[in-house]
Amino acid sequence: GAGVSQSPSNKVTEKGKDVELRCDPISGHTALYWYRQSLGQGLEFLIYFQGNSAPDKSGLPSDRFSAERTGGSVSTLTIQRTQQEDSAVYLCASSQRWGDIQYFGAGTRLSVL
Amino acid sequence: AQKITQTQPGMFVQEKEAVTLDCTYDTSDQSYGLFWYKQPSSGEMIFLIYQGSYDEQNATEGRYSLNFQKARKSANLVISASQLGDSAMYFCAMRGTNAGKSTFGDGTTLTVKP
Repeated sequence: GAGVSQSPSNKVTEKGKDVELRCDPISGHTALYWYRQSLGQGLEFLIYFQGNSAPDKSGLPSDRFSAERTGGSVSTLTIQRTQQEDSAVYLCASSQRWGDIQYFGAGTRLSVL
Repeated sequence: AQKITQTQPGMFVQEKEAVTLDCTYDTSDQSYGLFWYKQPSSGEMIFLIYQGSYDEQNATEGRYSLNFQKARKSANLVISASQLGDSAMYFCAMRGTNAGKSTFGDGTTLTVKP
């Protein structure tokens, strides 16, 4: 596609429910990144994927968070048993190669009630 | 560990004037890259400019230039001839040897006054 696409743009859920956030990177980009941005804050790295290599999960805040990337393209970030502190904007980015300029999607705003 | 420090939570500039947004970094990596992104109120992160640690010349992209002072570990963004559309949050970021992990600063909110 022309840019990084994220869905849904907004998600409201109840505490304890599971949510799935989707990211469709720019076609041909081998690297994909997930970040979390709390209100008025900078970006917190969560996880990145590079080609077929094992993802770097070191930024995931707890075992309730997981992510996968199918076929080297679309990625899904899953948050299980959501908590109110999970409320944030989740940003996805992709780059042509590892370490290149990252191009971001518009984000998913998650609100946990 | 990498760290990015942006000491200016908010900045104001008059339209058509130049403004400098500060960024200092800390890393033990010899090879690294520095980025600036703009985030308008719509929320999307827009790439502005990149500087590699071994680049001898300061990066420039149109009205944006990066004042890179390696010994001082600073990578300030200079915006010339500010426009109203430049009002946004600006983030400095770096990636080190582990190029997949980028560290972002807390951002600077720039307001351009007419």
